[in-house]
Amino acid sequence: QVTLRESGPALVKPTQTLTLTCTFSGFSLSTSGMCVSWIRQPPGKALEWLALIDWDDDKYYSTSLKTRLTISKDTSKNQVVLTMTNMDPVDTATYYCARMVGPKDAFDIWGQGTMVTVSS
Amino acid sequence: DIQMTQSPSSLSASVGDRVTITCRASQSISSYLNWYQQKPGKAPKLLIYAASSLQSGVPSRFSGSGSGTDFTLTISSLQPEDFATYYCQQSYSTPPYFGPGTKVDIK
Repeated sequence: QVTLRESGPALVKPTQTLTLTCTFSGFSLSTSGMCVSWIRQPPGKALEWLALIDWDDDKYYSTSLKTRLTISKDTSKNQVVLTMTNMDPVDTATYYCARMVGPKDAFDIWGQGTMVTVSS
Repeated sequence: DIQMTQSPSSLSASVGDRVTITCRASQSISSYLNWYQQKPGKAPKLLIYAASSLQSGVPSRFSGSGSGTDFTLTISSLQPEDFATYYCQQSYSTPPYFGPGTKVDIK
C-alpha cells in the first residue's frame, strides 16, 4: 500500500524558513520514473504546484516561487524535504505531497496534508 | 509555462443531472491532462488521467475527453457524493500547473 504523510510546524513567524518533510512508504524514489511533488492550497483557494524531485535527483520549481524553494530527498529514509524561505502570511496554506509514477503522469497518491499558518 | 483555465468556476446542479466541465491549456499538451476531485477538508483524488483514462476505483459515470488544448470532464448522472470541487492539471511539461477549479454544488 502506497502512503505519504506530511509533517512540519503548524505555525511559523513571518521571515522564518519553513521545513516540511514528506515520509512515504510502498514505493522507492530510486525507481526509474518515480517523482514526488509538493502542492499547497491556501484556505478557500485553488491548488498551487510548488516543486518536484525525481528518481534521478532532478529538481523543478514553481516559476514564481523558485527563489524561495529547495526540494531534496533522502532515499534511504523514504523522505522528501521542502524548505521555503522568508515566509509571509500569504503562505498560510495546507501543504500536500503527492506521488507521480512517471514525469508526465498524474499525481496518483496524495498525503493528507499539513496546515501551516504564518503569523507573528 | 503552460497556464490552465477552467469553466465554469462554479455550477449548481441536481442529482441525476449531466454535468460538463471544460479545461483549456494555453498551448497544446497532447493528452497529458488529469482531473481531480476534492471535497472539503480532504486531499484531492485522481479521477481521470491522460485525458480519458479512468483511475482504478472511480465510478464509470465520470469520463474525460479532449486533446491538444481543450478538454472536458463529464459526470453522466450526478450523485450526492459528487458535490465537490474539480481541478484539471497538465502533466505535459514542468511546471505541472493546475486549473483554478470548478465547484459543483447542490441546486
